[in-house]
Amino acid sequence: GAGVSQSPSNKVTEKGKDVELRCDPISGHTALYWYRQSLGQGLEFLIYFQGNSAPDKSGLPSDRFSAERTGGSVSTLTIQRTQQEDSAVYLCASSLVSGLSAAFFGQGTRLTVV
Amino acid sequence: AQKVTQAQTEISVVEKEDVTLDCVYETRDTTYYLFWYKQPPSGELVFLIRRNSFDEQNEISGRYSWNFQKSTSSFNFTITASQVVDSAVYFCALSEANTGNQFYFGTGTSLTVIP
Repeated sequence: GAGVSQSPSNKVTEKGKDVELRCDPISGHTALYWYRQSLGQGLEFLIYFQGNSAPDKSGLPSDRFSAERTGGSVSTLTIQRTQQEDSAVYLCASSLVSGLSAAFFGQGTRLTVV
Repeated sequence: AQKVTQAQTEISVVEKEDVTLDCVYETRDTTYYLFWYKQPPSGELVFLIRRNSFDEQNEISGRYSWNFQKSTSSFNFTITASQVVDSAVYFCALSEANTGNQFYFGTGTSLTVIP
């Protein structure tokens, strides 16, 4: 596609449930990032994928969070046993070359845990 | 330590005024990249500019201009003759060539342009 696509746009889930967020990066972009933005806050780095290399998971806030990227393209961020503090907008971005070229962001998934 | 500092949390200006958004960064890398992004009320982050550490030339794009000064570790963004459509949150970001694993974002500056 022309841009980074994320689904769903909005997700409301009950506390304790698992959720999956999807990101489809720009075709040909080897680097993919997940960030989290809480209401009125800045961007918090979660995880980074570069090609077939092992991902940088240093930003994941707990072991309830995991992500994978299949075939070097689509990525899924999974949050298990969701908590209210997980409520945020989850942003995915891709770039042609990791960190050296601009990252282009999707519209985000707004997650609300009730 | 915060790698990117945007000290201005909120700024309000009247339409047609000029406004400068400050960005100060911190890095030990000699090769790094600086970015500005705009986040309008719709929420999607829009890329504005990328600058590498070896290019200190100022850049102008329409009403937008950027002033990169390595001596003060600053990468400031000026909007000339502001318009209501410029109202958004603006983020400055840094990436380092040695790691390149993430973009370090500032906390953003919320700009409101009053008609």
